[in-house]
Parts: sequence; structure tokens; C-alpha cells
Amino acid sequence: EIVMTQSPATLSVSLGETATLPCRASQSVSNNLAWYKQKPGQSPRLLIYGASTRATGIPARFSGSGSGTEFTLTISSLQSEDFAVYYCQHYNTWPGAFGQGTKVEIK
Amino acid sequence: QLVQSGPEVKKPGASVKVSCKASGYSFTSYYIHWLRQAPGQGLERLGVISPSGGTTSYEQKFQGRVTMTRDTSTNTVYMEVRSLRYDDTAIYYCARASQFGDPLGWYDPWGQGTLVTVSS
Repeated sequence: EIVMTQSPATLSVSLGETATLPCRASQSVSNNLAWYKQKPGQSPRLLIYGASTRATGIPARFSGSGSGTEFTLTISSLQSEDFAVYYCQHYNTWPGAFGQGTKVEIK
Repeated sequence: QLVQSGPEVKKPGASVKVSCKASGYSFTSYYIHWLRQAPGQGLERLGVISPSGGTTSYEQKFQGRVTMTRDTSTNTVYMEVRSLRYDDTAIYYCARASQFGDPLGWYDPWGQGTLVTVSS
């Protein structure tokens, strides 16, 4: 099975700055990758699918890039509501898999 | 949207059944997955059900202990976990697969989650 790795586990970023979150797959997943955001006490929310397509209602400051084994979620001009845990998920082969998440905290 | 049943507290060895009611789309056209999240941990998938035919697929870890069913008359899917252990304490989520008729894909939307606490 394909293993998804998100490192670092925690990223400290200041308000207004840019956060860059990496996600690595143990083998190629093409562009079959999604990103989710989860705030405390809430369900995960889809941000990005197809590695770079924003889901409905997601602000343009969220962008996804990459293909194959290396992916990045970039959050520009960080706002207070962006401090959360972010998960990547591949869906290239059954059953898919999630990374362990990266927590974006206020620096 | 997906709306789940309320929190549950169960004793070790008991069973719990969580419901997930779908609305706003064709219920039988999209697979529903169940995932869970233990306190402070990541996301773990338990399995998937086809609301159309009722076929299921479970992660090996949960086979024999988890059963997923559906009721097409109420657009509701259910997940039962038996022989509960302390480490089954988690928030359980239902989530819709993204693609028409395909269980593989991203998940959107998600239910609000159901906290299941296993405590003596």
C-alpha cells in the first residue's frame, strides 16, 4: 500500500505570511491527491482535489501543486481561520490513504 | 449534506450503531465511507458501503467487528461496531465518495461526526 508522509508535524507561521505544506507519497499517485483542513471540533473539509483544483467555495489563497510523489499545499496571506490541521489523501489506488497531518500554528 | 446521530457512551464489550442520513443528492449514486479519529490522532478508514446495492468492503483490521448497512427508504446508512474496546473511543465520521458510482476518490461532504466513548 502507498504510504503518505507529511512533515513537519507542526509548522509555525505568522499572520499574513505564506505557509508551505509538503506531502510525499511512497510511490507515484499521479495527480490523484486531495487536501483537507480540519479545525478543532469540526469535520475535515475538502480544500483541493486533483492535486491543484480548489473545491467549491475555497479561497484563492489556497493552492495545490505537484504530481507523482511530491505535493505541496500553499496558503498565502495566512488568516486567523487558517490555523488548523491539514491532511493530504491519495486516491490513486484502492483504498487510498491519508497522511498524518500538519498542524499550522501561530508563530 | 450528511447528518449523523448523537454521541454515545458504551461499556467495553458492548455494541454501538451510528447513523448517517443523506440529503440533497441522489442517495444511491454515491458510495459512503466510514472513518474515525481517535483523540489527538489522524484519520482511519473503516470501510465503505454502496447505498445502491448494499455491498460493503471493510478494512482488514475491522472485518468481523464492523457491519455497514443502508436503508434506501430513509436515505440513511448505518455502521455498527461490536465488542467495543477502550481504544475504539473516537469520533466516527461518514463521508461521501466524490465520484458517481465509484468508491475511490476524495471525500466530500463529511458528516459532523459522532463521538463514541468506551468507558466502564
